[in-house]
Amino acid sequence: SAVISQKPSRDICQRGTSLTIQCQVDSQVTMMFWYRQQPGQSLTLIATANQGSEATYESGFVIDKFPISRPNLTFSTLTVSNMSPEDSSIYLCSATDVGDTEAFFGQGTRLTVV
Amino acid sequence: GESVGLHLPTLSVQEGDNSIINCAYSNSASDYFIWYKQESGKGPQFIIDIRSNMDKRQGQRVTVLLNKTVKHLSLQIAATQPGDSAVYFCAERAAGNKLTFGGGTRVLVKP
Repeated sequence: SAVISQKPSRDICQRGTSLTIQCQVDSQVTMMFWYRQQPGQSLTLIATANQGSEATYESGFVIDKFPISRPNLTFSTLTVSNMSPEDSSIYLCSATDVGDTEAFFGQGTRLTVV
Repeated sequence: GESVGLHLPTLSVQEGDNSIINCAYSNSASDYFIWYKQESGKGPQFIIDIRSNMDKRQGQRVTVLLNKTVKHLSLQIAATQPGDSAVYFCAERAAGNKLTFGGGTRVLVKP
C-alpha cells in the first residue's frame, strides 16, 4: 500500500490569488491523479499527472487554471490559479500503479476562496 | 467538520442489520468496478473491487454484485457497525487507470 500526504490540509485564500498543493507518496508509483470534490458531491478527475511531461487534462479543466507538475515518481503539485469562490472545494491526490485497481488517496486539501 | 455527503442520499440502518448500497454506471467498456468508503475529513479508502467478467465477489463482511445487463452495481455490508458510517462511492475504471466516481451514498448506522 502507499501512504499519500497532502499539504496544506486546508487553506482560506483571497480571490485572484493562487495556491499550490503538494502531494507526496511514500513509494514510487506509476500513476498520479488529481481530483476535485465539491461540497456534498462526488469526485471529479481533473487530470493525470505525467512524470516528466505535461499533465493530461479532463474535459472542462485546463492547464492555465490548474497547472500540474510531476518531477519524479513520488511527488506532484497542483496549482489552483486566479482563484474565485467557485474554486472552493476539496482537492485530492491519488496514486496507483499500472494494472492495480486499488488507488490510494491523500486526505485532501480543503480550499475556501473568499 | 465536513461537507462530504451533506447533500447525498442517505441510508439509515440499525446496527447489526445488513446494508445494501446501489450504484448505476454508464461505461460498458470499464474493466473494473470499485467501491470506496470516505469518512469525514479523509480521502476515499478502497473497500473491494470486481472485474467486469464477474458477477459477484465477497470480502470480509462485504459483497459486491455486478449486473452488466442493467449496468448496476451493489455493495452489501453484513452486520453493519458504527464504524461503517461514512459516504460510499462506486467507481468504474477505464483506460489509463482513470476512475469515474458515482454520486455516492451516505450510510448512517443507528445504535
